Parts: sequence; structure tokens; C-alpha cells
Amino acid sequence: GEDVEQSLFLSVREGDSSVINCTYTDSSSTYLYWYKQEPGAGLQLLTYIFSNMDMKQDQRLTVLLNKKDKHLSLRIADTQTGDSAIYFCAENGGGTSYGKLTFGQGTILTVHP
Amino acid sequence: SQTIHQWPATLVQPVGSPLSLECTVEGTSNPNLYWYRQAAGRGLQLLFYSVGIGQISSEVPQNLSASRPQDRQFILSSKKLLLSDSGFYLCAWSVGSDTEAFFGQGTRLTVV
Repeated sequence: GEDVEQSLFLSVREGDSSVINCTYTDSSSTYLYWYKQEPGAGLQLLTYIFSNMDMKQDQRLTVLLNKKDKHLSLRIADTQTGDSAIYFCAENGGGTSYGKLTFGQGTILTVHP
Repeated sequence: SQTIHQWPATLVQPVGSPLSLECTVEGTSNPNLYWYRQAAGRGLQLLFYSVGIGQISSEVPQNLSASRPQDRQFILSSKKLLLSDSGFYLCAWSVGSDTEAFFGQGTRLTVV
């Protein structure tokens, strides 16, 4: 089946930039997503990018997509302690049901004061 | 605005007991509805999805079933729970051509 891979851990200092990386295998993906999960909570959609785009910026968040290499990244500028959470990359496999997603394992971001 | 409700938030059930988790969506019509499970190790796996009342697609073989008795209600059930059914269950919804899927707060199920 299709696969989404992420590094499991990232630790940064407050104020630095964080970059979370993701690779996927499904070349038919039309949308790629980043979700945030705080401890014990559900998933919050942070941002998404259409597969014919290579960059999307939304305030402190920048998403970069290299479709040729099937590589997606999320950059968080000026990382704050409140950004500590698990970040999931997901893709929709080209389907029209946009909640039918394949997720990565999640990256635990720890922000140190 | 649209909201999604899941309950209960936490549940401890003995092996062999039945299960019923409920999810409802407000503020939208004819949503696509989804059940995901997040087991230890954090990855999320799609269990079921539904594009309409009574229409259920199962993504993985398992001890669970799903039903959609009303447009905005999605229920996850089991007749007899296994230890391996423990996990964090998340309901989600999306609508038509919208590109986004929105998740509930989840139910943490522990089977003992």
C-alpha cells in the first residue's frame, strides 16, 4: 500500500525555526496536509497544499513540496513552547473523499525554553 | 459553524464486552464521515468511511463495525472487545469538494 514516512523526533530551542520532513509514495496524491496533535487531543488541521504548488506560506508556517522527489516539509518560524506537539503529514491519494487520508507516524516536536 | 462531537472521551472496558462509540456532526449536511484509530506508536489508520446514510466502507479487516443511522451520526461498534482494540479513536468529517477534513477530540479506549 501507499506509505508516508516522517522522522520521529525533533527538538529545537524557542525562537529557532523548526523543519519537519515527510516523504510519501503515492504519486496520485492531489492534496498533502499537516495536522497538529496536542497531548490527549484530536487532530487540528494546520495547513495543506495542492500537488501542483511547490510552496505555501501561512503566517509562521511554510510548506514546501517537491513533487518529483515526493518530499514535503513544514517550517515553523520563531518556534514557541506552545508549538510542542505531534505533527502529522498526510496525503489523500488522489481520491475525492478528502478525509480518506494516509498518515505518517508523526513527528514529536519538543521546544526548549 | 460546523462542529464535531465524540463521546465518551475515555472508556475502560473488559475483554469480551461490547462497544459503542458515537460521533455526530453539526452545521453541515451530507458529510463524508470517517473513523480512525491511533494505536501505540502514534500512526493513524483509517478504519471506516461513509459517504451517506447506510453506506459504510471498511478499510481493514478487524473486530469492529460501523454504522450510519442518520446523516450526521456515525457509530463504531464491537460485539466483543479484544485487548488489541485498545487505542485512541478519532472521528472525522469532510464535505463534498472541500479539501479539508476535520477531526473530533477522540475517545481513548482501554480494554482490560
